[in-house]
Amino acid sequence: GAVVSQHPSWVICKSGTSVKIECRSLDFQATTMFWYRQFPKQSLMLMATSNEGSKATYEQGVEKDKFLINHASLTLSTLTVTSAHPEDSSFYICSAHGPADTGELFFGEGSRLTVL
Amino acid sequence: LAKTTQPISMDSYEGQEVNITCSHNNIATNDYITWYQQFPSQGPRFIIQGYKTKVTNEVASLFIPADRKSSTLSLPRVSLSDTAVYYCLTYGNNRLAFGKGNQVVVIP
Repeated sequence: GAVVSQHPSWVICKSGTSVKIECRSLDFQATTMFWYRQFPKQSLMLMATSNEGSKATYEQGVEKDKFLINHASLTLSTLTVTSAHPEDSSFYICSAHGPADTGELFFGEGSRLTVL
Repeated sequence: LAKTTQPISMDSYEGQEVNITCSHNNIATNDYITWYQQFPSQGPRFIIQGYKTKVTNEVASLFIPADRKSSTLSLPRVSLSDTAVYYCLTYGNNRLAFGKGNQVVVIP
């Protein structure tokens, strides 16, 4: 099946710094990718929909200036957590709509962010 | 969005069949129903997908009634490695809704 890869798989940073997480579709082109945040023992929460070549669509309550999303190519979307704080520590996951019109989403491995 | 609801947790013995139901009362006509398995600190893994009726693959079966307002994932003869959280997802036209997840614990 289609493969989606995230990098880094984990990152530790100091409070106030910015962190970039990459999401790549390795063997297919993805015009749309989704970013999620998952806290312990909770479900995935959709943060935003990333569209290639246009602005991302953010879910209600998600600060677009805090979580910058760039989808500059058909195989790469990036999420930048700006001025990270300890409450931003979470598991961030991306997914992409697969190449076939089957409605299947392919998920990345996730990126664990810890802000000290 | 089709809001999805799932029970929270269940235990099962090895070798038993496990059935997990998800409610998605507001599912849209174009939405697919997909089930995922998630282990700690990993991304969700695809299990099975359907639109209506019954779908079966090498690891699971998915039962979808005619009104599509719910779906049931069936895991035959679970093993210890099936201990995980299982999510249902409805997705179509770039709109998606995740269930809250069901923790399945398989006991020896």
